[in-house]
Parts: sequence; C-alpha cells; structure tokens
Amino acid sequence: NAGVTQTPKFQVLKTGQSMTLQCAQDMNHNSMYWYRQDPGMGLRLIYYSASEGTTDKGEVPNGYNVSRLNKREFSLRLESAAPSQTSVYFCASRLTLRHEQFFGPGTRLTVL
Amino acid sequence: SQQGEEDPQALSIQEGENATMNCSYKTSINNLQWYRQNSGRGLVHLILIRSNEREKHSGRLRVTLDTSKKSSSLLITASRAADTASYFCATDDLQGAQKLVFGQGTRLTINP
Repeated sequence: NAGVTQTPKFQVLKTGQSMTLQCAQDMNHNSMYWYRQDPGMGLRLIYYSASEGTTDKGEVPNGYNVSRLNKREFSLRLESAAPSQTSVYFCASRLTLRHEQFFGPGTRLTVL
Repeated sequence: SQQGEEDPQALSIQEGENATMNCSYKTSINNLQWYRQNSGRGLVHLILIRSNEREKHSGRLRVTLDTSKKSSSLLITASRAADTASYFCATDDLQGAQKLVFGQGTRLTINP
C-alpha cells in the first residue's frame, strides 16, 4: 500500500495564479484532511471531509476550496495564490473507528 | 487558534539520555495523541492516551496525562540519534467532528 500520496512535492507560483494540490489514499479511510504548516508551527486545519460527499471548514479556510472527488481523493485548490499561502501542505486520512491520522509527505508551496 | 502549548520548544541531549516533552491544552478532550515529524517529512502517529487513562507505554515511549491540569508529557527513554525529530501533541475536538488540534511542537536533537 502506498498510504497517503500527494502531488506535487514542490511548487512555485506567482501571486494571483491558481493551482490544485492532489491527495489520494489507498487505505479505504473515510475521513480526509488538509493542513498547512508554517515555519516553527504546528499544523493548522484548512478543510476536512468526514466522509465521501461532505466537506467542512477548519481553522484557516480562507483562500482555499476543496473537493472530495471520491473516497480515495481529496483535492485542495488555491484560486488566487497570495504570498501568505506560502507553506507546507499536508494531507491526512483516518479510519472512522480509529483516532490516529495518517499523513502524506507534504507539498512545499512558495508564492512569490 | 492552536490548542496545545509545548514545552520546551527545543531540546538537545546526548544519546542514551532520556528526553521529556510537555504539552498543555485548553479545553476538555476525549484523547490526546503524540506525533513525530522527521525533517521534511509528514507526521507519524506515536501513541494515543484516552482521557480516562493516566499513563501509557509503548516501547521506549511513556505518556502521561493529567486532565485536572490539562497537560501531558512524553518521555523517550534511552534516546537514539534516530529519535531526532519534532514531536507534536494533538487533541481531539469534542464537537465530534473528528478534528485534531496540534501544538506547536518540540524540536528534539539527539547528539551522538
């Protein structure tokens, strides 16, 4: 099993450009999450999807949109990137009856 | 805002020594988890302790939880160079939305 995969690994954008971060898991997990991690900080939740077909805002949703395409895939879209969105983005998934989350390797995004 | 405050922010010890990290949180919880993050990688779940438990062990890890003080500690015994990483505590969301709130982390360095 690949676990949680994320693409791309690195991305540089100019202010105002858009992009979609992809996440997929092959563990048949129900819940999926998007976090951002800024230098010296813990993770902050952007959006999550408790089950296929549902999405909800986390702590820092402004400037982002998400799509739970199917049970495996959960994408994060930046419609108009801003320098404040420079960060490392992590996707995670979780089985409903378990508490631990499984994380992808992250996408390092720089917005110039 | 982040739930957890971790102390110390950074810790440097010699290989073979024990490392203790502390986490304080603000609201009532169902459980508390500890995660490890190696440099440039995603988080990996280490251990979970439920709110009705006071102490839990897993290999060289010992976690304590004091709900009256809203605090937890992670002890790593007989540290190894491979334990060098950042360690984060995470608490659940009592609203039942399966969300985790992460602390800011402790950066642990094990010197050979």
